[in-house]
Amino acid sequence: QQPVQSPQAVILREGEDAVINCSSSKALYSVHWYRQKHGEAPVFLMILLKGGEQKGHEKISASFNEKKQQSSLYLTASQLSYSGTYFCGTEGGSEKLVFGKGTKLTVNP
Amino acid sequence: EPEVTQTPSHQVTQMGQEVILRCVPISNHLYFYWYRQILGQKVEFLVSFYNNEISEKSEIFDDQFSVERPDGSNFTLKIRSTKLEDSAMYFCASKYGDGSNQPQHFGDGTRLSIL
Repeated sequence: QQPVQSPQAVILREGEDAVINCSSSKALYSVHWYRQKHGEAPVFLMILLKGGEQKGHEKISASFNEKKQQSSLYLTASQLSYSGTYFCGTEGGSEKLVFGKGTKLTVNP
Repeated sequence: EPEVTQTPSHQVTQMGQEVILRCVPISNHLYFYWYRQILGQKVEFLVSFYNNEISEKSEIFDDQFSVERPDGSNFTLKIRSTKLEDSAMYFCASKYGDGSNQPQHFGDGTRLSIL
C-alpha cells in the first residue's frame, strides 16, 4: 500500500521553508527520502528508522513518528537547487521500497 | 564516488519485440532492484534480486519479464514481447546489505519507448 504524500506541490521563494509529509497506513521499518530532478534518477537524501528518530543533512532534515507511521521532511532556507520532486519510499519488512506519488517543489528566485 | 550505470540511456523498440536493459550495480553491493516510472508518475517496484535469485516481485513483473545476473557485474532486465504500456523509464538500483538502514542507489535510468 503506497504512502500518501502531502502537499502535492509547493512553490517557494528562495530562503523560505517547506515541510513535506509522508504517511502510511501500514507498519513501517523505515522511510527513505529521495529527490528527483526532471529527467534524472532519484537521488538518495536520508533514511529514517523506526524508533522515532530525526536526521539532518545540511538544511534538510527529517523526522519519523513511528506511532503515527508518518515522516516529515523539513527544508529550511530553501535554495534554487532544492527544486525537484521529493519522494518518500517506505519499507515494511521486505526489501522493496514503495514510493508515494511525490511532492513537486519549485523554488523561485 | 561509485555509481550504478545503466545502458542504453534510451531504447526505442517496436511492439512485440524483445528488449534487454542492462545495469552495472555498485561493485560491492549484494542486493539489486528494478523499478519503473511512467512519465509523470511515481516510481514503482518491479523486482528484487539477491544471491542469484528473485527475492520479491510485483504484479507488474509478469511472465514477460525476467532478470538475470549473467556474470559478476551485470544485472539485466528482459522484456520478452513488449507492449505499448511498457513505455517508461526503467531504473536499476543496488544496495550493499540487508537491513532497513541501507540506502538503495539508483542509476540514471533507461527510457524505453515502444512504438
